Amino acid sequence: GAVVSQHPSRVICKSGTSVKIECRSLDFQATTMFWYRQFPKQSLMLMATSNEGSKATYEQGVEKDKFLINHASLTLSTLTVTSAHPEDSSFYICSAGGAGTPYNEQFFGPGTRLTVL
Amino acid sequence: AQRVTQPEKLLSVFKGAPVELKCNYSYSGSPELFWYVQYSRQRLQLLLRHISRESIKGFTADLNKGETSFHLKKPFAQEEDSAMYYCALSGGSGQNFVFGPGTRLSVLP
Repeated sequence: GAVVSQHPSRVICKSGTSVKIECRSLDFQATTMFWYRQFPKQSLMLMATSNEGSKATYEQGVEKDKFLINHASLTLSTLTVTSAHPEDSSFYICSAGGAGTPYNEQFFGPGTRLTVL
Repeated sequence: AQRVTQPEKLLSVFKGAPVELKCNYSYSGSPELFWYVQYSRQRLQLLLRHISRESIKGFTADLNKGETSFHLKKPFAQEEDSAMYYCALSGGSGQNFVFGPGTRLSVLP
């Protein structure tokens, strides 16, 4: 199946700094990438939909100036958490899919655990 | 608007018992339905998709358009089935992918 990678897998940063998380589709071109947030033992919460070459679509309640998403190529999307605060600590997961994937399904990255001190 | 509901947050069954994880959806069109599974400390992975009508790890799911349901079933649960299960819907072309809230399945020995 298709492979999606995320980097870094774990990051610890100080409050007020910015953190960039990369999501790559390794063996297919993803026209669409999704960014999720997951709290312990809870469901995925969709943050935004990222379409290659255009602005991301953010879900209600997600601050677009705080969570900057860039999808500059068909294999890479980045999520930057700007001026991170402890409440931003969470597990961030990306998925990639689109017309190039079988059955239009989503393939998930392993996630990035962000801890803001 | 698209929506996926999973009424049970937690479902506990004994090993060898049948299990059914419920999923209902709302969508004005012909959706594509999926079940994803997340085992402890692993990434989400596709379990099965309605379009291929397959059975994976003994699980099956039938799309019932009349009841707008896509329940996941297995006749004899195993302890290794314990995981978080998500029902998901796609509006086509990979756009508008919506997940349900998930059901945590716990299979007791």
